[in-house]
Amino acid sequence: DAGVTQSPTHLIKTRGQQVTLRCSPKSGHDTVSWYQQALGQGPQFIFQYYEEEERQRGNFPDRFSGHQFPNYSSELNVNALLLGDSALYLCASSQDSTGELFFGEGSRLTVL
Amino acid sequence: QQQVKQSPQSLIVQKGGISIINCAYENTAFDYFPWYQQFPGKGPALLIAIRPDVSEKKEGRFTISFNKSAKQFSLHIMDSQPGDSATYFCAASYKAAGNKLTFGGGTRVLVKP
Repeated sequence: DAGVTQSPTHLIKTRGQQVTLRCSPKSGHDTVSWYQQALGQGPQFIFQYYEEEERQRGNFPDRFSGHQFPNYSSELNVNALLLGDSALYLCASSQDSTGELFFGEGSRLTVL
Repeated sequence: QQQVKQSPQSLIVQKGGISIINCAYENTAFDYFPWYQQFPGKGPALLIAIRPDVSEKKEGRFTISFNKSAKQFSLHIMDSQPGDSATYFCAASYKAAGNKLTFGGGTRVLVKP
């Protein structure tokens, strides 16, 4: 049984570009949450998707957007990249919005 | 606003020793307090969690102590092993927020053989 899978694992972008990160949840899970983890810090909640809708959102600008597909997979999009967007982006899935979170290994984004 | 403060940032312990990590929170609505373990290149994994109706929870070598009046909770790792070397994060959430977690800043633990 595959856990949470994320792609790509690493990527490098330049300032002003756009990036799309992808996440497939653990089998049986219908809720996907995204977190940003800057180097040496704890993860920060970006948003959560359930039934293809954004259910909750953290304190992130509108440059951060997402989507959930009918198969529960999800994408995180970041527009107009800034140097400060360099971080590990973690996807976590759960069985509804109250279940235990299972994290993927993350996508490491470097913005030059 | 950092709502969960974690200390120390790092600690070194000898094999067989006790590792103690502390967290303090501000939001009295928090009612779920998990600890996560993260190895380099991996995502965080749930280690142990507690709710405020109990003051202590033990699972194997890992124990959470919870002090509701002081708004503090801590993780004790007994008989620390080199394989416990990792970064540990405390976190908190409250019922209305579902499983949206607020994380502490992390503690890097190194267990020396």
